[in-house]
Parts: sequence; C-alpha cells; structure tokens
Amino acid sequence: QSALTQPASVSGSPGQSITISCTGTSSDVGGYNYVSWYQQHPGKAPKLMIYDVSNRPSGVSNRFSGSKSGNTASLTISGLQAEDEADYYCSSYTSSSTLRVFGTGTKVTVL
Amino acid sequence: EVQLVESGGGLVQPGGSLRLSCAASGFTFSSYEMNWVRQAPGKGLEWVSYISSSGSTIYYADSVKGRFTISRDNAKNSLYLQMNSLRAEDTAVYYCAREKRDSLLTNDYWGQGTLVTVSS
Repeated sequence: QSALTQPASVSGSPGQSITISCTGTSSDVGGYNYVSWYQQHPGKAPKLMIYDVSNRPSGVSNRFSGSKSGNTASLTISGLQAEDEADYYCSSYTSSSTLRVFGTGTKVTVL
Repeated sequence: EVQLVESGGGLVQPGGSLRLSCAASGFTFSSYEMNWVRQAPGKGLEWVSYISSSGSTIYYADSVKGRFTISRDNAKNSLYLQMNSLRAEDTAVYYCAREKRDSLLTNDYWGQGTLVTVSS
C-alpha cells in the first residue's frame, strides 16, 4: 500500500489562504469518508485538525476546513498565521490489507 | 486531562526485541480503541497497529506483520507493542494514539513518543 500523495511544501503570506491536497485511490480516499488531517510542529506529537473529511474537533480554529472530491481530499487554511507553520499529514482508511495509510506530508511555510 | 505516556524505547541490535508500553490516564481506557504510529527520523508518519477496546480485533501494517504484537491490559490502563526481529528500518519515534469515538482511524490524543533505534 503506497502512501497518499501530498505536495512536499506549500507557502503563503500571513492572512492568505492555502490548500493542501491529498491524493489517493478509490480504495482509500475516494471510497470512504474516513479522511483525517494532522498538524505536527517540530519535535512535537501530531495534533488532530480535521476528521471524517470535513469535521473539526472542538478547540481547533475554524480557519481550518476539509473537503473531498473524487480521490483527492483537501485541507484549507484561511487567514494564515505564523503559528500555522508546521508539517501536515492526511490519513485515510483503506480497503487494502494494511487498513490505514498516511500521506507523504506537506511542510507549510508562512512567508 | 487525557494523558498517554510511552516508555520502553532505546537502542537495540538488529534481530533483537523490545517491548513498548503506553500508560493511559484521564479517560476510561477500556472504552477506547488504540493505535501505534511511528515516524522515522526526518520522515513521515506510518501507521503500525490497531487494537479494539476489548483487544479482540487487531490489525497490523504489512511492514510489521508477523514481527510485532499489539496488546492491552485494561485493568492496568496500558497499551503494549512487542517488537521482535527488529530491523534498521524500524528505527523511529513510536507514538501511541487514542481513537476518537464515533469515527474510524481518527486519533484525537497522542503521546509524546518513545525513540527506538535499531543499530549494531
């Protein structure tokens, strides 16, 4: 089972909006609504930002939103802030033998 | 406050074994499914294993199947990962992570991680 494909890096200026894509197949992202997104700052544990494609856990800023179209899920960060600079990973259930797959990860840089 | 504290990491030779533990507190451990997720130095996240709340259902990533064993002791609020036949590519920070209720394979709380280094 290959990892889901994410862009290696995305950047934006403070206040701008950016979108991170997460591309899989019909066996994972496209076939199920079990896509989640995690934020990870250097040396820290991942933090859940979005689950079940578009749901936001309590305490997570509404500047973060998720969506899906076909085999590609997306995480949008609006009103970009310096604290949003981190690595972001998507994850999905997969019908393959391995049950779950993560994305390759995207480094977000705030210019 | 939900807390997950991993322990048991360290340096081990190729072919060796190690047992990781995760101590849970601040929630009813026996009601939650749990996972192990790892991250090699400078690399991305990799799901390792899943265990249901009762321990009756278990899944593994293909990369560790047959070598790693996940288990739990609900009386001790603890999650374990027995790792045998370790390889250099198993070198990583290992996180235990709680599954969010009413969602599938969503981890809402993570421990701080424990580093496993496989090297001679």
